[in-house]
Amino acid sequence: AQKVTQAQTEISVVEKEDVTLDCVYETRDTTYYLFWYKQPPSGELVFLIRRNSFDEQNEISGRYSWNFQKSTSSFNFTITASQVVDSAVYFCALSTAFGNEKLTFGTGTRLTIIP
Amino acid sequence: DVKVTQSSRYLVKRTGEKVFLECVQDMDHENMFWYRQDPGLGLRLIYFSYDVKMKEKGDIPEGYSVSREKKERFSLILESASTNQTSMYLCASTSDTEAFFGQGTRLTVV
Repeated sequence: AQKVTQAQTEISVVEKEDVTLDCVYETRDTTYYLFWYKQPPSGELVFLIRRNSFDEQNEISGRYSWNFQKSTSSFNFTITASQVVDSAVYFCALSTAFGNEKLTFGTGTRLTIIP
Repeated sequence: DVKVTQSSRYLVKRTGEKVFLECVQDMDHENMFWYRQDPGLGLRLIYFSYDVKMKEKGDIPEGYSVSREKKERFSLILESASTNQTSMYLCASTSDTEAFFGQGTRLTVV
């Protein structure tokens, strides 16, 4: 069975600070996919990134970066120079099927950016 | 602009009512999913479908059923609503690389 753990329930930081959201996963499959989604107050989940288990390269997209470490089964997400618009609930998820089938989600981290 | 549309943002139903939550996608995706989201529990998979008239149970199917008569439409049915089914319900459809979610239906059963 798969499991995703987001130990941080809520985080608050002052605007312009950097913040890292932790994600630890468990799976016995050798091929799997990891995701991050953002859920703003409107409720819709917004796709941020998808990473397969064979690609451990870190990725940067603007102020967002992701650190994938198979040795620690972690896929952490860092926001640099946070902004108020980053306030949302962030979910880490895992799929062991091809593509986005049957996502297993973590419990989410509520991030509040204080102006 | 790709879209997954859920018919209602908010619903209030009485205990024992039969409830239909509708989801429509315009991306010609074969895979569709229903999740429920509860505080502290994240999103949990209720049912999913890989094709028309096909359905499979997810992790928490008890008390729910689904219908997929057309490729673009995936309905979640609460046969007899109970208060413990008060939740946010999210529908998703998937391509090979990404899942697209609707805006969610917040259901309250009183």
